[in-house]
Amino acid sequence: DAEITQSPRHKITETGRQVTLACHQTWNHNNMFWYRQDLGHGLRLIHYSYGVQDTNKGEVSDGYSVSRSNTEDLPLTLESAASSQTSVYFCASSELRAGAYYEQYFGPGTRLTVT
Amino acid sequence: GIQVEQSPPDLILQEGANSTLRCNFSDSVNNLQWFHQNPWGQLINLFYIPSGTKQNGRLSATTVATERYSLLYISSSQTTDSGVYFCAGVNSGGYQKVTFGTGTKLQVIP
Repeated sequence: DAEITQSPRHKITETGRQVTLACHQTWNHNNMFWYRQDLGHGLRLIHYSYGVQDTNKGEVSDGYSVSRSNTEDLPLTLESAASSQTSVYFCASSELRAGAYYEQYFGPGTRLTVT
Repeated sequence: GIQVEQSPPDLILQEGANSTLRCNFSDSVNNLQWFHQNPWGQLINLFYIPSGTKQNGRLSATTVATERYSLLYISSSQTTDSGVYFCAGVNSGGYQKVTFGTGTKLQVIP
């Protein structure tokens, strides 16, 4: 069955370190997304991609970067981790379907703690 | 930008009771999804429902796009229904930006 996987599932890192969170999907979807989830804020969009070599900033992109070298993967990099980036991170993917809608499917999440 | 508001923020039900969750969204939203986040944090797709009514077992959803709201009905609630329910809207602009509401936290007690 098609799925989205994220790794690691839990990560503790120190302030200032570079961290990369992996996202891999086997849906063969063109569209991929990264969100962060914090209490009181729900899920907020960090970056998204509509295909290979395409990346775009979401509403909370400062301090994060992504790259898309193939259809299956969209790694999220925290350039210099800060305590404010302690959060749960979700990856999602979607594809255009008949009727022009984009149902999104989510990975299991990565809990990141920056100390 | 897109605005998505959910109510109530918190809900406690006795097992077997019915409930209705509401999602109001701005007029720039043309696609709507409902999700359930279980106590383990997993986000589960419930419905993609830009308009009309859909049913899946004890759950059903109705979206009235012209009045910019969607309702999620849970009938005969079970403890496994506990968690947070999110609605998410997709804008009608040139790209697919998804905005989540802040959720309704549901606790079903035996």
